[in-house]
Amino acid sequence: KNEVEQSPQNLTAQEGEFITINCSYSVGISALHWLQQHPGGGIVSLFMLSSGKKKHGRLIATINIQEKHSSLHITASHPRDSAVYICADGPNTGNQFYFGTGTSLTVIP
Amino acid sequence: DAGITQSPRHKVTETGTPVTLRCHQTENHRYMYWYRQDPGHGLRLIHYSYGVKDTDKGEVSDGYSVSRSKTEDFLLTLESATSSQTSVYFCAIGGGANEKLFFGSGTQLSVL
Repeated sequence: KNEVEQSPQNLTAQEGEFITINCSYSVGISALHWLQQHPGGGIVSLFMLSSGKKKHGRLIATINIQEKHSSLHITASHPRDSAVYICADGPNTGNQFYFGTGTSLTVIP
Repeated sequence: DAGITQSPRHKVTETGTPVTLRCHQTENHRYMYWYRQDPGHGLRLIHYSYGVKDTDKGEVSDGYSVSRSKTEDFLLTLESATSSQTSVYFCAIGGGANEKLFFGSGTQLSVL
């Protein structure tokens, strides 16, 4: 089983700040996924990446395969970015995914 | 967004009663999953399916069964609900090679 760990667990930022959420994993991966979950809401896939960097609007995801580490960056953060961000590794054997416990982000106006 | 629907959205039941949650997709994805989400834990896999009538257990499968008689429907059954099964349940589809995961809106289940 791949151990997926996220840091920090909780993060509070002022609107406009640059935010970084980290994800590390213990063994080689096929792909690293970043998910977003708003309070009381469903889970939305933000990125799937296996190398390099991807960008969508103010969100940027990077991955370093050698260091087994991925980061999710949010530029010019906004209160609507307040959510739990989850990283996941997969698919693995049996098409299974391993999830981090999430980073709860609160952006204060 | 992927067409995936869970029902019911909320359910309150009593210990010992059977409960069935339904996941319906319109995307013809081969893989379907049932996860539970609890505070302090990441999403944990209950069961998954890789085709009609093809299912397998996940890490927290005790007390749960599933069925997939059609590509579009994946049912999760708690044969005799217990309080430890109070949780939020998510269905997901996709997740094949180079595929994102798509999640349903979740079912809040309370077992009293």
